[in-house]
Amino acid sequence: GQQLNQSPQSMFIQEGEDVSMNCTSSSIFNTWLWYKQDPGEGPVLLIALYKAGELTSNGRLTAQFGITRKDSFLNISASIPSDVGIYFCAGRGFGNEKLTFGTGTRLTIIP
Amino acid sequence: DTGVSQDPRHKITKRGQNVTFRCDPISEHNRLYWYRQTLGQGPEFLTYFQNEAQLEKSRLLSDRFSAERPKGSFSTLEIQRTEQGDSAMYLCASSWTVGSSTDTQYFGPGTRLTVL
Repeated sequence: GQQLNQSPQSMFIQEGEDVSMNCTSSSIFNTWLWYKQDPGEGPVLLIALYKAGELTSNGRLTAQFGITRKDSFLNISASIPSDVGIYFCAGRGFGNEKLTFGTGTRLTIIP
Repeated sequence: DTGVSQDPRHKITKRGQNVTFRCDPISEHNRLYWYRQTLGQGPEFLTYFQNEAQLEKSRLLSDRFSAERPKGSFSTLEIQRTEQGDSAMYLCASSWTVGSSTDTQYFGPGTRLTVL
């Protein structure tokens, strides 16, 4: 099935660093979502975006809905150990209820 | 806890056996979704229900797969004659929809299926 292009595929950072990841699609979406998934668990919703150009924050997380409706990015500031995990973007198209997910970004914090 | 729940969390079965998974959505949510996630990939859509009606099925959902939501509350996903390629995490999600306004989807913890 279709998966969105998400980059980078993996990141190795030190605690306290800022993180940036993005997601691109060949299709237009009317909703962009960012989820975090820990091993053996389901995705947990971090941020939901509903309007092109929208910039939304949730604590240390900030996400933006691209103007073209074909991309989104997620920033994490001042990373902490519990940020470790896999981050997925997901998009929902107009008149379409299913979510199309990205390939994931695995975040690892180096001691 | 009022989140989405799934049962069992893990299932190991032999090839050719049938398996059934259950999902209980967030109580006020009228939409329920099933996704499949293989190792190293993002979840892929399988099917979804609005109340008890199954409104969309992915091409990934072969004839061996059947999903039901008989009373518009919990849902079951059955896989008949399992194959090794069915090994994956099966995720359930739910959302609330009124008219054209759809809330975000909240996921359960998943059922990890291993077919030997």
